[in-house]
Amino acid sequence: NAGVTQTPKFRVLKTGQSMTLLCAQDMNHEYMYWYRQDPGMGLRLIHYSVGEGTTAKGEVPDGYNVSRLKKQNFLLGLESAAPSQTSVYFCASTRRDSGSEQYFGPGTRLTVT
Amino acid sequence: RKEVEQDPGPFNVPEGATVAFNCTYSNSASQSFFWYRQDCRKEPKLLMSVYSSGNEDGRFTAQLNRASQYISLLIRDSKLSDSATYLCVVNIYSGNTPLVFGKGTRLSVIA
Repeated sequence: NAGVTQTPKFRVLKTGQSMTLLCAQDMNHEYMYWYRQDPGMGLRLIHYSVGEGTTAKGEVPDGYNVSRLKKQNFLLGLESAAPSQTSVYFCASTRRDSGSEQYFGPGTRLTVT
Repeated sequence: RKEVEQDPGPFNVPEGATVAFNCTYSNSASQSFFWYRQDCRKEPKLLMSVYSSGNEDGRFTAQLNRASQYISLLIRDSKLSDSATYLCVVNIYSGNTPLVFGKGTRLSVIA
């Protein structure tokens, strides 16, 4: 039982390049989330999903797209990376009940130059 | 008013000290409350849920004051290993909406 895993762990992109971050969970959780964390800003929700095939915008969705084609996977895409997207990205999942514990992946450290 | 507010710290305390963190939330209808811990360059992990009656887990005590809309975390007999950032987390809105995370309070326990 690996919990929540994220791929890759580190990445450096040039401005304008694209990439996809992969999040996978093996706990059969319904809900999945993508956050970014910047110094002094705390965790900010980018997009989330309440089930396979559904996604919704969070607090800071601009510049990102997501897909949830399979229940266990949640993909975060950057179509044209910008230096402002340099951040640590965390994925999380939880059971259907939002009052339950959120489990986080180890994070992806992304630098856009 | 921000949805979830915390004192960012840092709190620098000696080993063995008692330290308390407070957190305020904006929506009186909020139902679920948590404290998460985040070590440097690691992911957040659940420390404890906060119940209306208050709850204790070893050296950690969490309390909820609905009337004043604040949550507290008390750490007794601080250890070096308690050094981390503590995040206040609230299910601000009703239903299955995402949790809202505070920006965190940084604690450094000094030998």
